[in-house]
Amino acid sequence: KQEVTQIPAALSVPEGENLVLNCSFTDSAIYNLQWFRQDPGKGLTSLLLIQSSQREQTSGRLNASLDKSSGRSTLYIAASQPGDSATYLCAVFPDNYGQNFVFGPGTRLSVLP
Amino acid sequence: DGGITQSPKYLFRKEGQNVTLSCEQNLNHDAMYWYRQDPGQGLRLIYYSQIVNDFQKGDIAEGYSVSREKKESFPLTVTSAQKNPTAFYLCASSIDLGQRSNQPQHFGDGTRLSIL
Repeated sequence: KQEVTQIPAALSVPEGENLVLNCSFTDSAIYNLQWFRQDPGKGLTSLLLIQSSQREQTSGRLNASLDKSSGRSTLYIAASQPGDSATYLCAVFPDNYGQNFVFGPGTRLSVLP
Repeated sequence: DGGITQSPKYLFRKEGQNVTLSCEQNLNHDAMYWYRQDPGQGLRLIYYSQIVNDFQKGDIAEGYSVSREKKESFPLTVTSAQKNPTAFYLCASSIDLGQRSNQPQHFGDGTRLSIL
């Protein structure tokens, strides 16, 4: 059974720092991996989707990488800002038709001004 | 703007009562999902639907029911059989169920359900 973990559970950094969030999954047979942002009391907003054939995706200050063989993905945030404070979740879609996304528990990020 | 609308934002349930959470989307997506989110845990899938008049149980369907009479709507009923309903409920949609299009899931802003 696919399991997704995210370390650390919470992270505080001063404004301007570059930071990395980690996501690990137990089964490398995935179709894609998605990173989401969740603000308190809100739904999830998709940030980046990486297909299994891709190694990374970039959007603005965000860069997500994928290493399927080792079951890992990282989300790199450059020049962090207080507005980046949120919970970041990763989710994998297994490479078996009919199954659905498996979500990690998230990393709660605080960027201090 | 296209999106997913969940209502109400907050809901309170009395003992023995059924309550229904609304989810409407205007994205013309075929697939819709209901998730439950508890503190410190990842999202858990309750039910999902690939097409109108069809839906499947997810990982934690006991005590819940759904219907999909219209493409745009996927309401979730939390029945009295669900003994621990206090949670944040999220509705999502995607172009297709199998994610073969590699298009992301879109989420509503959630409904927070509490017990009176």
